[in-house]
Amino acid sequence: GDSVTQMEGPVTLSEEAFLTINCTYTATGYPSLFWYVQYPGEGLQLLLKATKADDKGSNKGFEATYRKETTSFHLEKGSVQVSDSAVYFCAPLGQGGKLIFGQGTELSVKP
Amino acid sequence: EAGVAQSPRYKIIEKRQSVAFWCNPISGHATLYWYQQILGQGPKLLIQFQNNGVVDDSQLPKDRFSAERLKGVDSTLKIQPAKLEDSAVYLCASSLGGRGADTQYFGPGTRLTVL
Repeated sequence: GDSVTQMEGPVTLSEEAFLTINCTYTATGYPSLFWYVQYPGEGLQLLLKATKADDKGSNKGFEATYRKETTSFHLEKGSVQVSDSAVYFCAPLGQGGKLIFGQGTELSVKP
Repeated sequence: EAGVAQSPRYKIIEKRQSVAFWCNPISGHATLYWYQQILGQGPKLLIQFQNNGVVDDSQLPKDRFSAERLKGVDSTLKIQPAKLEDSAVYLCASSLGGRGADTQYFGPGTRLTVL
């Protein structure tokens, strides 16, 4: 069945460091891919998405490129801020419109 | 535009008791989802409605969980009787049509603790 594997956390970085959170998936066909973010005490928010191969989703300085060959959708940001501290979830869209979430990667950014 | 509303935000019950959660989706959104998020894990879909019909309830424990979406708007998720392993955050989400790359918008969730 459809599944997703995310880089394990927690990830601790200093402010202005480069961030990569790896995500690979197994799914039928070429699903749309999403990154959601969950800030402390808040609900899930869409961070970015890509709907077809080689698409790049971007938002708030974060980027992720849909790599069909490696079935990956790694999240990157060139310079993280303390306010980026949150849990990040990778999620391909499975059959029937069901999001398949990874276990989440907790990011902690220190000043 | 108002987001997805959920209530209550927190609930503590004892095992074998019953509990119900309510969700009001974004106005005009045809598709509504209930997810269960156990601590330290990603959300898992319990049930998906398209208007007032069930699209997918394959992961809903039907012996104790039930859900309805009367009139295709608000939805209620019920657990009866609750078990310790039901302790989790219950998330409601809605999307415009439920197909393709429709974005799902999530509510703040209801945190359930079963003692």
